[in-house]
Amino acid sequence: DTAVSQTPKYLVTQMGNDKSIKCEQNLGHDTMYWYKQDSKKFLKIMFSYNNKELIINETVPNRFSPKSPDKAHLNLHINSLELGDSAVYFCASSQDHRASGNTIYFGEGSWLTVV
Amino acid sequence: AQKVTQAQTEISVVEKEDVTLDCVYETRDTTYYLFWYKQPPSGELVFLIRRNSFDEQNEISGRYSWNFQKSTSSFNFTITASQVVDSAVYFCALWYTPLVFGKGTRLSVIA
Repeated sequence: DTAVSQTPKYLVTQMGNDKSIKCEQNLGHDTMYWYKQDSKKFLKIMFSYNNKELIINETVPNRFSPKSPDKAHLNLHINSLELGDSAVYFCASSQDHRASGNTIYFGEGSWLTVV
Repeated sequence: AQKVTQAQTEISVVEKEDVTLDCVYETRDTTYYLFWYKQPPSGELVFLIRRNSFDEQNEISGRYSWNFQKSTSSFNFTITASQVVDSAVYFCALWYTPLVFGKGTRLSVIA
C-alpha cells in the first residue's frame, strides 16, 4: 500500500500546454503539500492545504493552481507550461500542520519535462 | 531566519568505509525539529529520522547513527560500513512550517 501516491510519474509535454498531477494519501493525514525539486536537487515548498483549506502559498506563478477536493487528495494544475517548469514535483502529507514538527511523508515524485 | 547548511556537496567512499554527512542549522526557536531524508537514484524521498530539540541523545538504527549537538547547532549523520545501496542524496531538514531543506549531499559508495 503506497502511503502517498502521485500520478503520473513521468510527464513530457510541450510549452503552452496545461497539465495536472494528481496526489492521494491514505495515511489519514490532515495536511498535504506540494514541493518542487529543481535541477540542482533543491527542494522548496509550493503549497500546503489543511483539511481542504489553503494555508501556505509561496511565491509561485498564478499558472500553478492546487485543488483539494477532500483532505486525502491534493492535485496540482499547471497552465501554459514553460520550459522553466521542468522539475520534479513531490506531493507529501503530515498530520495537522499546527502541531510543529510532524513528520512529512513524500510521494515518489512526478518528473515533468517541458519541451 | 531558519536555515540548513549541508556543506558537503558530494562524497565518494569505498564500500565498508564509514562516512559522516554534516548538517548545520540555524533557528531562533527554542523548540525545533530536525529531519533526515534519503533520495536514492530511483528518486523518491524516504524519511529516515526526526529529532526534537529536547532530546540530545544520539540515535542508532542499524548501520545509521545520528549525532545531535545543540552547542554547535549540528545534526550529523553517520553510516557505518557503507554499502553500495547507501548511494543516494541525503537531505537534512528543519521544521519551519513546514520543512526547510538543506541542499543535500550526494553520497556515492563504490564497490
